[in-house]
Amino acid sequence: GEEVAQTPKHLVRGEGQKAKLYCAPIKGHSYVFWYQQVLKNEFKFLISFQNENVFDETGMPKERFSAKCLPNSPCSLEIQATKLEDSAVYFCASSQSTAGGYNQPQHFGDGTRLSIL
Amino acid sequence: DAKTTQPTSMDCAEGRAANLPCNHSTISGNEYVYWYRQIHSQGPQYIIHGLKNNETNEMASLIITEDRKSSTLILPHATLRDTAVYYCIVSLGVDDKIIFGKGTRLHILP
Repeated sequence: GEEVAQTPKHLVRGEGQKAKLYCAPIKGHSYVFWYQQVLKNEFKFLISFQNENVFDETGMPKERFSAKCLPNSPCSLEIQATKLEDSAVYFCASSQSTAGGYNQPQHFGDGTRLSIL
Repeated sequence: DAKTTQPTSMDCAEGRAANLPCNHSTISGNEYVYWYRQIHSQGPQYIIHGLKNNETNEMASLIITEDRKSSTLILPHATLRDTAVYYCIVSLGVDDKIIFGKGTRLHILP
């Protein structure tokens, strides 16, 4: 598609439950990024993929968080045993890798609002 | 930490040009300057980017100083729909994660 599609828009989970978020990048884009926005302005990078391979996972919490990008499937971000502090909006972005086009911008989805009760 | 500093907030009258400054004094030679904005709670929206030269597109103009240590985003005729948080970012490009700062909250006044 022409837009990054994130589902669901809202997700409510009880503390300790599992949460799974999905992201369909723009068709033809090779890179996928996940970001967490806890407060209105505070973004945190989590992980990025180049196709189905993890590219940069320096922002991923060591425990409870995992992510995948499998061929012909939406990418996913999964949080096991959720905590109240996981409440945030999770944004996915994708970017295009083109020959000589090293400066391509990231295109963002509208996010998934995760509420942990 | 973000490599840019921006004013926390700015006001601009509707119909006037909005000039948003950004300092990036530690930018390296191969890093680009990107601008994004976040309207309400939507996903960040790409506006414009540049390396050395000034750039213009249908949304805005980007003026980068000769030493590349600062830049200005110009919205030529601001409308109420331009009310948003504007983020100035330096990045290596397509595969580089974005380190967001706190951005500038721009209020367009009727």
